[in-house]
Amino acid sequence: DAGVTQSPTHLIKTRGQQVTLRCSPKSGHDTVSWYQQALGQGPQFIFQYYEEEERQRGNFPDRFSGHQFPNYSSELNVNALLLGDSALYLCASSGTGDRETQYFGPGTRLLVL
Amino acid sequence: EDQVTQSPEALRLQEGESSSLNCSYTVSGLRGLFWYRQDPGKGPEFLFTLYSAGEEKEKERLKATLTKKESFLHITAPKPEDSATYLCAVQHTGGFKTIFGAGTRLFVKA
Repeated sequence: DAGVTQSPTHLIKTRGQQVTLRCSPKSGHDTVSWYQQALGQGPQFIFQYYEEEERQRGNFPDRFSGHQFPNYSSELNVNALLLGDSALYLCASSGTGDRETQYFGPGTRLLVL
Repeated sequence: EDQVTQSPEALRLQEGESSSLNCSYTVSGLRGLFWYRQDPGKGPEFLFTLYSAGEEKEKERLKATLTKKESFLHITAPKPEDSATYLCAVQHTGGFKTIFGAGTRLFVKA
């Protein structure tokens, strides 16, 4: 049973650039959430996608946007990168049965120079 | 405002020395409380979901309990491989946002 997968594992970008991160949910899951985790902190909720729509959003600027595809996979896009966007970006999926429990992928480490 | 506070920030134990990690939460209505384990540079690994006060769940050396204001993660006779950051998180009934605490870093020395 494949778990949550994310790509790429690491990424280095320059201030002002744009980045796209990708996530495939756990088999059988239809809901994807994205989180940003700074070093030494807990994950911060960015947004959640369900049925290809953004269902809820955290306190992140519009530079952060996303998309969910018909196969439930998802992308996180960040425009106009700032140094402060350097973090571990985590994708989590949940699905039928136990909708509250989320399972996380390994994350994408983004470094903005 | 919904909030999760974990204590202590760091905990150092000798192998076999049992202890507890605390998670205090403030939420308008609790949909679920979650415990995760996170190793450095990796994604959080799911441990437990608790839904109502009085609920308890166990897995190997770990036991999670829940009251109306806090949750405890009890670690019995820990081993060095239990060393990790333990994260607590909550969801409230009014939405889909999950709020995490900053975590407790556990170090178990052989």
